[in-house]
Amino acid sequence: DTGVSQDPRHKITKRGQNVTFRCDPISEHNRLYWYRQTLGQGPEFLTYFQNEAQLEKSRLLSDRFSAERPKGSFSTLEIQRTEQGDSAMYLCASSLVDRVNYGYTFGSGTRLTVV
Amino acid sequence: GQNIDQPTEMTATEGAIVQINCTYQTSGFNGLFWYQQHAGEAPTFLSYNVLDGLEEKGRFSSFLSRSKGYSYLLLKELQMKDSASYLCAPPSVSGGYNKLIFGAGTRLAVHP
Repeated sequence: DTGVSQDPRHKITKRGQNVTFRCDPISEHNRLYWYRQTLGQGPEFLTYFQNEAQLEKSRLLSDRFSAERPKGSFSTLEIQRTEQGDSAMYLCASSLVDRVNYGYTFGSGTRLTVV
Repeated sequence: GQNIDQPTEMTATEGAIVQINCTYQTSGFNGLFWYQQHAGEAPTFLSYNVLDGLEEKGRFSSFLSRSKGYSYLLLKELQMKDSASYLCAPPSVSGGYNKLIFGAGTRLAVHP
């Protein structure tokens, strides 16, 4: 078990460009979550999947954000037409539905800087 | 949004005991998680209280009162490596409690 992997670790992009991040959860985990965190704040929920189904997306999330988990394994988060306000750490976490007491396992995150 | 209230910052001395309080909008039924996050790193799971009362795990203990929407994290015999942010995380009261909502966290600084 290698834990939750996220790629890339850092991304610098120009405003208006599209970016895509990847998350590989712990293999037996059926739930996958995306969060965003800015300095001095806790992680903010973006969306989550159970297997390949996207079950919830934050109402605060712009239409520029989209996430997929095509085969119920890895997931991608795409941000289109990036804005400076998108600069943040993007965290992926995974869990088992029937092991709620174990909590989430987070990846190391992708730090996005929009210039 | 779901109100989660934690002190922003706390300081303590190595070897001492510190209590970090959290109040939140509660369903009255669901448990609560605590996570630790060192600067620049991902959050790591510390504890989960599924029922009311005190859960002890080594130097760390966590207490929960679901009816009052109140929890605390107790850290004993503080070490320098305990300097981190501590995040209180109840399940969301919207969306079927299927996700955790995190407070802004309490930044703890442990001094020699």
